[in-house]
Amino acid sequence: NAGVTQTPKFRVLKTGQSMTLLCAQDMNHEYMYWYRQDPGMGLRLIHYSVGEGTTAKGEVPDGYNVSRLKKQNFLLGLESAAPSQTSVYFCASSLLAAVTGELFFGEGSRLTVL
Amino acid sequence: AQSVTQLGSHVSVSEGALVLLRCNYSSSVPPYLFWYVQYPNQGLQLLLKYTSAATLVKGINGFEAEFKKSETSFHLTKPSAHMSDAAEYFCAVSEGAGNKLTFGGGTRVLVKP
Repeated sequence: NAGVTQTPKFRVLKTGQSMTLLCAQDMNHEYMYWYRQDPGMGLRLIHYSVGEGTTAKGEVPDGYNVSRLKKQNFLLGLESAAPSQTSVYFCASSLLAAVTGELFFGEGSRLTVL
Repeated sequence: AQSVTQLGSHVSVSEGALVLLRCNYSSSVPPYLFWYVQYPNQGLQLLLKYTSAATLVKGINGFEAEFKKSETSFHLTKPSAHMSDAAEYFCAVSEGAGNKLTFGGGTRVLVKP
């Protein structure tokens, strides 16, 4: 049971570099989410998707882009990384909308921007 | 707009003692409320959720939470702490038809032998 898989798990970038985080889920879930976790601030929603080909902005979308070309994959991109984007990033998926459904989380991707 | 406040970023309890984690929310509509747990180096897992049925909700690993509308609270309790309960706990709220959960800042629980 793979569930939600994130790659890479660790990455160090220099300011201005770009990168893509990949999230893959094997549960046939419609909804997928990208959160960032910072100490004392809980998890904040970056972008989310309610189905293949759709994306929407969350609470803190600036500096990030996403794509959902395939139902099982949700990509998070940083075009020009900044130190403020140093964080732990979590992908999650759910069968139902977050309002009633359980979210299944990946193990996280730790990003450091120097 | 919805928001969640967790009182206390760190809680230390002795093994066998009561665990009480506090969560207060603000919401303009009847909310859906959740508690998630995060063990070290892992993603979050659902402990329990309130979706307007019984006000006392039982979850996994002996945890339960009570929804109190008058106090806008959804505190998490466990009668007897176990070493394996050491983790970070997050309260979350979702309003109406939205697809978004709003998380509190988290409470890290340390269990002393």
